[in-house]
Amino acid sequence: QLQLQGSGPGLVKTSETLSLTCTLSGGSLSSSSRYWGWIRQPPGKGLEWIGSISYRGSPHYNSSFMSRVSVSIDTAKNQFSLRLSFVTASDTAIYYCARHGLELASISWFDTWGQGTLVTVSS
Amino acid sequence: DIQMTQSPSTLSASVGDRVTITCRASHSVSTWLAWYQQKPGKAPKVLIYKASNLESGVPSRFSGSGSGTEFTLTISSLQPDDFATYYCQQFYSSFPSFGQGTKVEIK
Repeated sequence: QLQLQGSGPGLVKTSETLSLTCTLSGGSLSSSSRYWGWIRQPPGKGLEWIGSISYRGSPHYNSSFMSRVSVSIDTAKNQFSLRLSFVTASDTAIYYCARHGLELASISWFDTWGQGTLVTVSS
Repeated sequence: DIQMTQSPSTLSASVGDRVTITCRASHSVSTWLAWYQQKPGKAPKVLIYKASNLESGVPSRFSGSGSGTEFTLTISSLQPDDFATYYCQQFYSSFPSFGQGTKVEIK
């Protein structure tokens, strides 16, 4: 069945760039009509959507992150990625990758989630 | 931005109880609302989408209702596996936003 697996460094230094990758198994990004997104959750807190990307590479971002965020997709590797620049301690969180539940929609609920990657930002 | 507010923040209940969680939106989101269950150390799992549609594989004791600005998630008979945190999420505005969560604890 469809599975998402996030990966990347668990520790990032203040002011540097956080980079995470999500790999899809059991399906193909290139044949999907869905968007693929990133959501984060600070320890003990709630959920915050960061941004999403379509299989064609069209991104859609939370305006709160607009100047710092980039989401990309590599259909050949069946992966999509998140880059968040100029991180601070407030960016410490579990970062989840997820699939949009609604086809062809840049805004949707999320029906399949990765396991989450804890990223700690520290000097 | 559309703000989502859940109540209560914490709920104490017993196995077999009927449980209702409320989610209010700062502006109408029509029926573009989902509910998730999250257990400690795990990713959220969708229960309900488009306000009242049960996700495949989710037990029928879970149900959702509402439209506009007020929504409810109901668990008809609480089971031991249901003790978790529940989140609502709107997907009506230009970007999706979540409620702050409701933790369902054992009474």
